[in-house]
Amino acid sequence: QSALTQPASVSGSPGQSITISCTGTSSDIGGYNYVSWYQQHPDKAPKLIIYDVSIRPSGVSNRFSGSKSGNTASLTISGLQAEDEADYYCSLDTSTSTRVFGTGTKVTVL
Amino acid sequence: QVQLMESGGGVVRPGRSLRLSCAASGFPFSAYAMHWVRQAPGKGLEWVAVMSYDGSDQSYADSVGGRFTISRDNSKNTLYLQMDSLRPADTAVYYCARGYSPGPLDYWGQGTLVTVSS
Repeated sequence: QSALTQPASVSGSPGQSITISCTGTSSDIGGYNYVSWYQQHPDKAPKLIIYDVSIRPSGVSNRFSGSKSGNTASLTISGLQAEDEADYYCSLDTSTSTRVFGTGTKVTVL
Repeated sequence: QVQLMESGGGVVRPGRSLRLSCAASGFPFSAYAMHWVRQAPGKGLEWVAVMSYDGSDQSYADSVGGRFTISRDNSKNTLYLQMDSLRPADTAVYYCARGYSPGPLDYWGQGTLVTVSS
């Protein structure tokens, strides 16, 4: 299973909203609602911020939201803050128990 | 609280073996599937392997199949990854993570670095 495609980098100014895309095919993203998003700060472990396309785990800021349309899932960060500067990865969590991650997106807060 | 702590990483020569451990606490370990995920230096996340909650089923990424073996000891709340025939391309930080099948990886350890080099 090939990695899901994400933009290498996205940037925005504090307070702005940005959106990160995660593109697959009808056989993966288009066929399942098990898309997760992870945030990873430098030299830290990934942290789950969205699962099942749009659900936020307890304790995750409501500035993070997820959606899906066709073969593309999206993560939106609203009210961008300096602490949001990190790498973000999407993941498809299919019923076969295997996983495929996206290529990763570096978010820069200008 | 949920804690996952990996150990066993280090420097190893190509072709040799290494076994990683992941000690779990703060949750009913035997009720959850467990995963290994790795990240090569400066690269993205790569899923490696999963074992079902009871150890009856496992799956591997094509890149490690036939060389790596995932296992668990529910009596010790510990997950393992036996890595044989190691290659330089296996150099990475290895994370263990709690997971759902299907579903997300909701807790991750801090990782252990494996360096394969002559």
